[in-house]
Amino acid sequence: TQLLEQSPQFLSIQEGENLTVYCNSSSVFSSLQWYRQEPGEGPVLLVTVVTGGEVKKLKRLTFQFGDARKDSSLHITAAQPGDTGLYLCAGVGDSGAGSYQLTFGKGTKLSVIP
Amino acid sequence: NAGVTQTPKFQVLKTGQSMTLQCAQDMNHEYMSWYRQDPGMGLRLIHYSVGAGITDQGEVPNGYNVSRSTTEDFPLRLLSAAPSQTSVYFCASSYRGTSGSSPRETQYFGPGTRLLVL
Repeated sequence: TQLLEQSPQFLSIQEGENLTVYCNSSSVFSSLQWYRQEPGEGPVLLVTVVTGGEVKKLKRLTFQFGDARKDSSLHITAAQPGDTGLYLCAGVGDSGAGSYQLTFGKGTKLSVIP
Repeated sequence: NAGVTQTPKFQVLKTGQSMTLQCAQDMNHEYMSWYRQDPGMGLRLIHYSVGAGITDQGEVPNGYNVSRSTTEDFPLRLLSAAPSQTSVYFCASSYRGTSGSSPRETQYFGPGTRLLVL
């Protein structure tokens, strides 16, 4: 069973601060995805990273995939109240039917205080 | 496109009752799946399907049945509800991106069904 450890579980910061969320595993994934979920809604994909060492930027969000494709990080610069939500990382299996399946971390609940 | 739709949005059941959670997608996605989300547990895969007529178990399949008679629909059945099945249930569908494109294996989630079993 592939496991993804996400940290921290909870994060409460002031508007304008920077933060990093980590997603770690002992397993190799073909790609890794980050989702954001708002209360009462389903998760929405933010980004997929595919290549080891890959860095992707989405406005103030920077996503990095580890060189060995076992871990990833999400860095938010100058957090805003609109960034508040549950951030989930998900690893995509390596082959066959597993390549459709996602293994989710338990999530990081972020609160950005105005 | 309506995307992924789920019905009902809320449901209260008594222990032992049965019900079906409906899920439909209009994106012609081959892969569909059901997850449950519990506090502190993240999303856990219940069942999935890689195409019409093909289903398989995920991480937590006990107490749930699925079928996939069409590409569009993937209902989840609870045969005899138990309090441990109180949760929020999400249906998702996905395609495989074309070669070299991004994002790959993007999963589109429905809005969820909140189930309380008394």
